[in-house]
Amino acid sequence: GAVVSQHPSRVICKSGTSVKIECRSLDFQATTMFWYRQFPKQSLMLMATSNEGSKATYEQGVEKDKFLINHASLTLSTLTVTSAHPEDSSFYICSARGVEGYTFGSGTRLTVV
Amino acid sequence: AQSVTQLGSHVSVSEGALVLLRCNYSSSVPPYLFWYVQYPNQGLQLLLKYTTGATLVKGINGFEAEFKKSETSFHLTKPSAHMSDAAEYFCAVTLNDMRFGAGTRLTVKP
Repeated sequence: GAVVSQHPSRVICKSGTSVKIECRSLDFQATTMFWYRQFPKQSLMLMATSNEGSKATYEQGVEKDKFLINHASLTLSTLTVTSAHPEDSSFYICSARGVEGYTFGSGTRLTVV
Repeated sequence: AQSVTQLGSHVSVSEGALVLLRCNYSSSVPPYLFWYVQYPNQGLQLLLKYTTGATLVKGINGFEAEFKKSETSFHLTKPSAHMSDAAEYFCAVTLNDMRFGAGTRLTVKP
């Protein structure tokens, strides 16, 4: 079946630094990838939708200059959290849409100290 | 726009009892509906999905759900709860993207 690899699974960074999270579809091509954020004991909130080779579409209230999304190939999308602050600490999950439907990565736990 | 509402943020059952997790959807077109389970600090695992065809959908781990258009519902059931079923459950709907309900935390008492 379709597999999505998300890396890293956990990251701790200092306030003010940037962190990059990768999402790869291992055995299928994903023209569209999605990034979600999940705060403790809450649901997954869609942050943005990225299509290969074009600019990402951000949900209302999500700062596009803070959460940079790049979808340079059909198998890789990256989310960069720039100038991270403690309030950005969260669980970030990517999803790739292929012919079999939606496949989720295992998530990245970001802690900003 | 599509959305789902999960009724009950927390459901507690005894081991061996029926599990019923409720989900209602709103969609302008026939929806695709999903149930996912999430264990602490882990990603999502697909339990089952409804796209077209048979309205009673069987999934993994003994779970099933029935799509009822007249009630705009897609409730998740399992005849007999097991301790390992304790987790967070999310109902989701897709149109152009996937949107999740608020989640229901299932607790199973011994």
